[in-house]
Order: sequence, then C-alpha cells, then structure tokens
Amino acid sequence: EPEVTQTPSHQVTQMGQEVILRCVPISNHLYFYWYRQILGQKVEFLVSFYNNEISEKSEIFDDQFSVERPDGSNFTLKIRSTKLEDSAMYFCASSVWDRVQPQHFGDGTRLSIL
Amino acid sequence: SQQGEEDPQALSIQEGENATMNCSYKTSINNLQWYRQNSGRGLVHLILIRSNEREKHSGRLRVTLDTSKKSSSLLITASRAADTASYFCATASTGNQFYFGTGTSLTVIP
Repeated sequence: EPEVTQTPSHQVTQMGQEVILRCVPISNHLYFYWYRQILGQKVEFLVSFYNNEISEKSEIFDDQFSVERPDGSNFTLKIRSTKLEDSAMYFCASSVWDRVQPQHFGDGTRLSIL
Repeated sequence: SQQGEEDPQALSIQEGENATMNCSYKTSINNLQWYRQNSGRGLVHLILIRSNEREKHSGRLRVTLDTSKKSSSLLITASRAADTASYFCATASTGNQFYFGTGTSLTVIP
C-alpha cells in the first residue's frame, strides 16, 4: 500500500537555524498537509496545500514557516529561524481530494531545538 | 475554536472487553473522522462519518454521530492487546482545516 514518507526521522538543530522537513506524499494525492504535535499534546493543524498554493493555514503558521512543492514528488516545510518552542513532531499528510477524504499520515519528523 | 475534546483521557480495559471513547466538538461540521496513533508513529485513519449519517460500522469499530449534541462515540468491540494506542477524533467543516481532539489513550491488558 502506498505510504507517505518523511525525512529525516529526527532532526536536531540549534536555535535560530533554519530547518527543512521533507515529505513525499502518495503519488495520486492532490491535497497535502502539515501538522505538529508537541510532546504529550494534541495534533495541531499548520497548513494545507493544493494546486501549488496554500489552501488554508492556522494561526500557528506565521511568517517563520513556509511550504513548497519544489518538484513533482516532494513537499517541504521550512522553519526559518527556529525557536525552542518549535520542538515537536511534525507530520505530513496527504489526501486524494479535500477534507471529506481520509488523510494518510507519515510517521513524522521529530524536531529538537537546542 | 472547533477543536474536539475526547473523553476519557485514558482508558484501561481487559482484552475482550469493549472500549468506548467520546468526542465533543463546538461548531457545525462536514464530517468527523477517527484516527489511531501508536506510540511514536503517525496517525492512521479508522473511519469517517458524514454529518448526515448517524452510525457507521467497520469491522470491530462502531461510530455514532449526534449533530444535535455535537458529539460522537467510537466503540471498539472485543478489544485486543494490539488495540492499545491513542485515539483521536478530527472534525472538518468549511475549508481544508482539520481539528484534532486531545485524544484518548487506550490500554488493553492481555
């Protein structure tokens, strides 16, 4: 069964540095999402992406965040100047169509900011 | 905020028993979905129920939806040790935002 894959599985970065998290969504899916989950807390929506542009974003997704689909397969989340509170699991998801369809999640990238 | 809230936060049962988890939300929805998360892994979609549906079954899972009370329940029958995980409800209304609840941590004791 097709999977959403995320790399790296664990990223350790110094505060203030830029970090790029990578995702390969399922190939025939059209909608892509990023979520984060701070340890022990709920999964929080960051952004949805369709047709090469942001469809929705939450209040968490401020100017330090950006997303890109640089080629036909990768979907990236960039955090420009990381803060300690950015430490979390970041999950990528994709769905065939929009919110009425199930989302398929990757196993996440654990981001640790030192 | 649309965010759902599950209860209980934690549930511990013996293998073979049924597990019931509840989810409440705040605004009108298009659909409600239940997901499962094993420790350290991503979320896995379990079942989707649309706002015009009241009950849905999938294997050992039964989901109900009461839009008048803005609540849903997930029943897992004949639980197994492998069902041990966290379970989240997620709501979708307009737009492409999904709001996940706080989750129920289920432990099934063999």
